[in-house]
Amino acid sequence: NAGVMQNPRHLVRRRGQEARLRCSPMKGHSHVYWYRQLPEEGLKFMVYLQKENIIDESGMPKERFSAEFPKEGPSILRIQQVVRGDSAAYFCASSPPSGRNTEAFFGQGTRLTVV
Amino acid sequence: QQQVKQSPQSLIVQKGGISIINCAYENTAFDYFPWYQQFPGKGPALLIAIRPDVSEKKEGRFTISFNKSAKQFSLHIMDSQPGDSATYFCAASKGNQFYFGTGTSLTVIP
Repeated sequence: NAGVMQNPRHLVRRRGQEARLRCSPMKGHSHVYWYRQLPEEGLKFMVYLQKENIIDESGMPKERFSAEFPKEGPSILRIQQVVRGDSAAYFCASSPPSGRNTEAFFGQGTRLTVV
Repeated sequence: QQQVKQSPQSLIVQKGGISIINCAYENTAFDYFPWYQQFPGKGPALLIAIRPDVSEKKEGRFTISFNKSAKQFSLHIMDSQPGDSATYFCAASKGNQFYFGTGTSLTVIP
């Protein structure tokens, strides 16, 4: 859905660098979800955030990955010291304040390539 | 651990035929079962969804069949068209967390 904006669309990083992925939710949406899609695999839940709060980060790797959704500005997924295995498509979805994921809409994704 | 198992991995159907994609789940706490359609370079888009209190839902050419006792659900695309060629993901959700199948790449040949 064009309403959820992700940038950049494509990101190339060398091993050891940091990757920052941005997600601007649809207007009026205050809940953001991040998913990772590895080649030949489905989408895997990473983290669920509301403004200034992490609600569920059970899908986030314990190290190098972090996410935030500040009061102002987009949600950021940060990957420190990237490795080749981080290469994937990262999708963001947003939903309105009711918080029910049934109304979530996805962005077009950021394709991260680690070289 | 794959919470939702999807098959087949790929499917080729003649134009006008019926495309059938199957999914199975384990967790009986799931209460929402959507199907997403994804075109290359795009994000997944909600196609059709069902809750476990009904056995079938139809929207146009797309139908979900749901078998609660077998913990299975399937997507049927009637009169398949070349424009339906895409990757289809089933999912099951509980609260704010979705569990997705691995996807089915559908090709509809003219």
